[in-house]
Amino acid sequence: QLQLQESGPGLVKPSETLSLTCTVSGGSISGSNYYWGWVRQPPGKGLEWIGNIYYSGTTYYHPSLKSRATISVDTSKKQFSLKLRYVTAADASVYYCVRRVTTVTTSWFDTWGQGTLVTVSS
Amino acid sequence: QSVLTQPPSVSAAPGQKVTISCSGSSSNIGNNYVSWYQRLPGAAPKLLIYDNNKRPSGIPDRLSGSKSGTSATLGITGLQTGDEADYYCGTWDSSLSAEVFGGGTKLTVL
Repeated sequence: QLQLQESGPGLVKPSETLSLTCTVSGGSISGSNYYWGWVRQPPGKGLEWIGNIYYSGTTYYHPSLKSRATISVDTSKKQFSLKLRYVTAADASVYYCVRRVTTVTTSWFDTWGQGTLVTVSS
Repeated sequence: QSVLTQPPSVSAAPGQKVTISCSGSSSNIGNNYVSWYQRLPGAAPKLLIYDNNKRPSGIPDRLSGSKSGTSATLGITGLQTGDEADYYCGTWDSSLSAEVFGGGTKLTVL
């Protein structure tokens, strides 16, 4: 059974860079119909998609975060990572790593990590 | 503000049926498939419905999804206390070129 596990600091200072890694187990990171990505949920608010990456390195980002976010993949370690630069209090959220199933016409998120809470504070 | 609109909360008695609506526009629900997710307290979101009305393996048939125009609906019959959770709809928005979600609906089983 595929499992995703987030790791990284739970506290980031304002204006610094948030860095999270997701480790994939129980399945391949190189599947042809799968993208790997990040979704976050600020306290008391809804889900927000951050971006996705294909195992080849192709990336897609939410337009509002594109200038600050970078998602990368290391297939040898079965890991993908998120870096979000210049964080503010608005970036404080539970961050989930996800697998996105993608076909020609549709997509959905079929696997989610447990989530990791990131607080932004000096 | 979320791109997709859901009621903040719904409630019903055990054994009853409940529906959760998700409203969007032609750039998202109107021309793309909808998925639904359940987030139990303290747990990660879980896929319930994809492609508007398909259930992944292991999801009981008392859960159903439908779509009409620019709105989608999640239905749950035979409500159980274990169904108490937050429910989210999601889809692709072709104008934003982004995945979008609803703000979530809290289901209370009275």
